[in-house]
Amino acid sequence: EVQLVESGGGLVQPGGSLRLSCAASGFTFSDHYMDWVRQAPGKGLEWVGRSRNKAMSYTTEYAASVKGRFTISRDDSENSLYLQMNSLRTEDTAVYYCAKVSSVTGYSFDYWGQGTLVTVSS
Amino acid sequence: DIQMTQSPSSLSASVGDRVTITCRASQGITNDLAWYQQRPGKAPTRLIYRASSLQSGVPSRFSGGGSGTEFTLTISSLQPEDFATYYCLQHNSYPLTVGGGTKVEIK
Repeated sequence: EVQLVESGGGLVQPGGSLRLSCAASGFTFSDHYMDWVRQAPGKGLEWVGRSRNKAMSYTTEYAASVKGRFTISRDDSENSLYLQMNSLRTEDTAVYYCAKVSSVTGYSFDYWGQGTLVTVSS
Repeated sequence: DIQMTQSPSSLSASVGDRVTITCRASQGITNDLAWYQQRPGKAPTRLIYRASSLQSGVPSRFSGGGSGTEFTLTISSLQPEDFATYYCLQHNSYPLTVGGGTKVEIK
């Protein structure tokens, strides 16, 4: 059974930093692209960024709203995905989901974690 | 960026009704589109991939159609557990973009 478990959310002041983690199990993590998606309170979904797999040299993509402030990394030996968030703004307040990208059924997300809440406020 | 325009933003319907939600892409995305259902307080779950393929385990009352710039999600006979918010996602090009959502409420 595929499981994705996010952690690391919490309250942080504007300008601060936070690192989110996503622990994966139930599939061969190293084979898959992995993404972060967020959802501000009461709002829709917003794609944050992507980590490609080793075969694609672990390259990354980011939304313009977070580029230069957020960094996605992964540790295949630990089956873990990370999101380092720096220079946080109030508008970054959201539930952050990690999502597994399917390589077989189109490159959309076939599994999501339960999410972790990040609140940026003074 | 590719804009995804989803309509309607909300709708009220009764159990047993046929419901159709539309997503329009600002440029062609072939069939690189997925549909998701999100219940309150829960993570989204995938219903449809590649525009028209039904996710394993999803009831057959859900169907997707379209290609290029216009896509539809149809629920043939609305059930009580279908009251939720639905989103389309394009994964044809970066950045990935999501429609604004359609909230399906009980009439």
